[in-house]
Amino acid sequence: EDKVVQSPLSLVVHEGDTVTLNCSYEVTNFRSLLWYKQEKKAPTFLFMLTSSGIEKKSGRLSSILDKKELFSILNITATQTGDSAIYLCAVYYGGSQGNLIFGKGTKLSVKP
Amino acid sequence: GAGVSQSPSNKVTEKGKDVELRCDPISGHTALYWYRQSLGQGLEFLIYFQGNSAPDKSGLPSDRFSAERTGGSVSTLTIQRTQQEDSAVYLCASSLSDSLPTDTQYFGPGTRLTVL
Repeated sequence: EDKVVQSPLSLVVHEGDTVTLNCSYEVTNFRSLLWYKQEKKAPTFLFMLTSSGIEKKSGRLSSILDKKELFSILNITATQTGDSAIYLCAVYYGGSQGNLIFGKGTKLSVKP
Repeated sequence: GAGVSQSPSNKVTEKGKDVELRCDPISGHTALYWYRQSLGQGLEFLIYFQGNSAPDKSGLPSDRFSAERTGGSVSTLTIQRTQQEDSAVYLCASSLSDSLPTDTQYFGPGTRLTVL
């Protein structure tokens, strides 16, 4: 069964901490992995990862994909209260036009 | 327990035809969301239902799109006179409530719509 598993499910840290969010997957014919940040209604796109070992970076956020071990991590350095959100991982996979499957998300709370 | 289910999983239609997409949320979840995911793009918010309140339709891209939620449970997204640019994966999500901080949204598997 195709699946995407995120860990931890929830995380509480203090401002300034560094956090690492995990996403592992088991799918047939992997195509790409996406990270989203969800604060309100619609998740905000963060990164799309297709190749192993190439880090994508945006400000204090970075992400990398390991296609051999079938996982990705999302790092947030020097966390701020504004980073509090649910972080979603999704995987495009399959043939033809592909399919999209989401993990359940990691709820991050950053305390002042 | 049972998650969010959507049907059909795939739908191929001809330009100009109407389509209906169905979402069964998790039992007891009062909030229901519809999104659209086009290849390589982020999620696009379409519409949001919360309990018996009037739905937030601010994301619907045109008046060809409409949605209903009957009895506070099942929802149907209808696209009239489909266009090729409507081709996308349509995702439904539900959450226990819409309280802040954001309650966890559980996503369905999506319906892949292809308009020829």
